[in-house]
Amino acid sequence: GAGVSQSPRYKVAKRGQDVALRCDPISGHVSLFWYQQALGQGPEFLTYFQNEAQLDKSGLPSDRFFAERPEGSVSTLKIQRTQQEDSAVYLCASSLTRGTLAKNIQYFGAGTRLSVL
Amino acid sequence: DAKTTQPNSMESNEEEPVHLPCNHSTISGTDYIHWYRQLPSQGPEYVIHGLTSNVNNRMASLAIAEDRKSSTLILHRATLRDAAVYYCILTRDTGRRALTFGSGTRLQVQP
Repeated sequence: GAGVSQSPRYKVAKRGQDVALRCDPISGHVSLFWYQQALGQGPEFLTYFQNEAQLDKSGLPSDRFFAERPEGSVSTLKIQRTQQEDSAVYLCASSLTRGTLAKNIQYFGAGTRLSVL
Repeated sequence: DAKTTQPNSMESNEEEPVHLPCNHSTISGTDYIHWYRQLPSQGPEYVIHGLTSNVNNRMASLAIAEDRKSSTLILHRATLRDAAVYYCILTRDTGRRALTFGSGTRLQVQP
């Protein structure tokens, strides 16, 4: 079956440009997560949705980062006025059950590699 | 959150077993132990998880110490495709809902 799909796979942006990254989770998955992965590091949490509700955005590094999931399925991560330090791989993951059940399994997309010049 | 400690890197030969260790001395009684791996240019992929008992699935085995302060991911016969970064992660039912990744163990598999 279809996994988590992210687009585009690669994005090059000029500093100051706005970008939008898309995530199509596995159909029926309630939970959706965004992570940021710098080169050579493990992924770091950005934000979490349960259906359309954004329940945790504590990992967003600045107010230039904004995420939405208006109908509880597809999600978009938007970065305004991109800076060089925003260059990273942005990963989306979805999970079937609601909430934080400790045995939840997250399914990841392949990520979007953002390069800000 | 309880912290995990893993070696930075390990090497193995193809078709030999691999034992990837993880220390989690501050684990609490309700923390689950998860393993994910990340192949080059891919997102992380779930491998296995457990609470107290050893677990087996088609990908690997998870051996959990009796005091739960450490665990070992076992790949029974490494293949070149198993070359990846392996992350040992603790999860719990309270607090932040996301996975907290450390730097993981980079496994190299030699032909």
